[in-house]
Amino acid sequence: DAKTTQPNSMESNEEEPVHLPCNHSTISGTDYIHWYRQLPSQGPEYVIHGLTSNVNNRMASLAIAEDRKSSTLILHRATLRDAAVYYCILGYSGTYKYIFGTGTRLKVLA
Amino acid sequence: DTAVSQTPKYLVTQMGNDKSIKCEQNLGHDTMYWYKQDSKKFLKIMFSYNNKELIINETVPNRFSPKSPDKAHLNLHINSLELGDSAVYFCASSHDFQREGDEQFFGPGTRLTVL
Repeated sequence: DAKTTQPNSMESNEEEPVHLPCNHSTISGTDYIHWYRQLPSQGPEYVIHGLTSNVNNRMASLAIAEDRKSSTLILHRATLRDAAVYYCILGYSGTYKYIFGTGTRLKVLA
Repeated sequence: DTAVSQTPKYLVTQMGNDKSIKCEQNLGHDTMYWYKQDSKKFLKIMFSYNNKELIINETVPNRFSPKSPDKAHLNLHINSLELGDSAVYFCASSHDFQREGDEQFFGPGTRLTVL
């Protein structure tokens, strides 16, 4: 099973951009890269996903390396409400069984 | 309106009891899931149903039996509860698991404590 590697924790100041990295060196050609986040005491929520090209939505941007072995979730202006655990997940073709790793706990400082 | 709802939110029970957790989604999705998040915060898929048919069963003990009476509901029944079953259980749904990049919507979770 292709796995992802993320830093355990990161800190950011409020109003500043945050770059959350994810390594997935064994990704297969048809695996999508998904990002979810889990706020305290809540269920995970979708953030963004992509296959090869960079993606933008109202929550974040996803930058995918050309070889697809890594990706970066970009929060353009961190707010206190963005403090959460961010999970980078590969979507397995066919079954779409998500394998959640340990994620990155983002702390946002006021 | 809550998209994915679970009841109860908290469940405290004794070892050996049987309990159920209910999940409902009002999104019109075809696929529903149960996940378990243990004390170390690892989130692991247990089951997935598509159009009331089981598609993923992650070697979960037979004591766990999901039931999908219709596409909008996926309930989880647990027999003979054990201490190790204590965890937060999340229900989720998505349009169609076979659709590429299918987004999952999670419920608020049910915290199960087995004493």
